Amino acid sequence: QKEVEQNSGPLSVPEGAIASLNCTYSDRGSQSFFWYRQYSGKSPELIMFIYSNGDKEDGRFTAQLNKASQYVSLLIRDSQPSDSATYLCAVHNNAGNMLTFGGGTRLMVKP
Amino acid sequence: EPEVTQTPSHQVTQMGQEVILRCVPISNHLYFYWYRQILGQKVEFLVSFYNNEISEKSEIFDDQFSVERPDGSNFTLKIRSTKLEDSAMYFCASSQSGAGNTEAFFGQGTRLTVV
Repeated sequence: QKEVEQNSGPLSVPEGAIASLNCTYSDRGSQSFFWYRQYSGKSPELIMFIYSNGDKEDGRFTAQLNKASQYVSLLIRDSQPSDSATYLCAVHNNAGNMLTFGGGTRLMVKP
Repeated sequence: EPEVTQTPSHQVTQMGQEVILRCVPISNHLYFYWYRQILGQKVEFLVSFYNNEISEKSEIFDDQFSVERPDGSNFTLKIRSTKLEDSAMYFCASSQSGAGNTEAFFGQGTRLTVV
């Protein structure tokens, strides 16, 4: 069974701090990794994706992937109250055309 | 900016009734998906669709569910005889290709309530 695990939180950080969100996955065949943001009652919104080991930066967001440890993370620099949401990690395995989602981590950024 | 659109935004139906959820994927996308999210739970994959046929489906997608692309723009999910446990948010998504290096974009969802 392919599983994607995230700490449900809430993760509380002060405004301006770095928020670190973590995700582990069980399927070693996983190839692509996506971070989505979901506000309450809304649909998942893609933030960024990563395929290769290492870091990938996009504005205030950095995704980090370590395939050997089956671990992917998202760093949010200069966190803003508007970043308060649930962050979903999703994993794509090329053997199947679908995303497997983690349960999400709820982030709260306090002014 | 192109987006995936879903109708209706909220559907209330009686147990045992049939419902059809509608989606218009992004126009140049070739792969279409349905996911669902029961309140407070994970987003779960239901089905993927390419070239007018199902390419992948989960255990959730049993004989009560079907998908169709009736014309060049719409993509529908039908639930034949709804159960209370079908109450969830249903998301349609689309992507340009089925490979993992392509982002899937989600519609705003249809909240289905079965009473």
